[in-house]
Amino acid sequence: QVTLRESGPALVKPTQTLTLTCTFSGFSLSTSGMCVSWVRQPPGKALEWLALIDWDDDKYYSTSLKTRLTISKDTSKNQVVLTMTNMDPVDTATYYCARIRYYYDSSGYSRTFDYWGQGTLVTVSS
Amino acid sequence: QSVLTQPPSVSAAPGQKVTISCSGSSSNIGNNYVSWYQQLPGTAPKLLIYENNKRPSGIPDRFSGSKSGTSATLGITGLQTGDEADYYCGTWDSSLSANVVFGGGTKLTVL
Repeated sequence: QVTLRESGPALVKPTQTLTLTCTFSGFSLSTSGMCVSWVRQPPGKALEWLALIDWDDDKYYSTSLKTRLTISKDTSKNQVVLTMTNMDPVDTATYYCARIRYYYDSSGYSRTFDYWGQGTLVTVSS
Repeated sequence: QSVLTQPPSVSAAPGQKVTISCSGSSSNIGNNYVSWYQQLPGTAPKLLIYENNKRPSGIPDRFSGSKSGTSATLGITGLQTGDEADYYCGTWDSSLSANVVFGGGTKLTVL
């Protein structure tokens, strides 16, 4: 049974750095094709992809946010950590972590978000 | 502004069929697989369709997916009030940016 759970502060001040931890079970991030990603959703708005880390430690970041994001994994602890620097009120959102199954063939890449955490609301306010 | 374009809303009566479109480009939908997610109010997104047209176990066959060129479509038949949700398409963008991209979401109302 695959589960993911996000943890981190509910409130951060502007300019501070946000650190979120995704703790997962039911799979190993050292297994080929397994990845973990972060996605956020401002209140009433659409999903926005942030970053992902692959089983082989390849990392990908949202083009618009890459200067502020760092993703890392601790395979032994089954955790993935996302840091976002210089937080602003516009970063107020529910932050989700999700497992991705990676697949590639002649028809292209597939990155399927097959399991999601329940999300954690982060409010940025002084 | 999302990279993938979806209609903001669709509606239909219970028992009817609805389709939701997702338009992209050759760097994303045109050359990669598409997945679809359902987000019920106040909950996390849930995988509905992956690799263009495959359903995970537990997803009823009322939900279907297709892809043609740089567009994808989610179909829902036999609409139920419990299908009222936001629906998102997603795929990989193979351009220099190498990002996951989502659509802006479509709100389905079952009248």
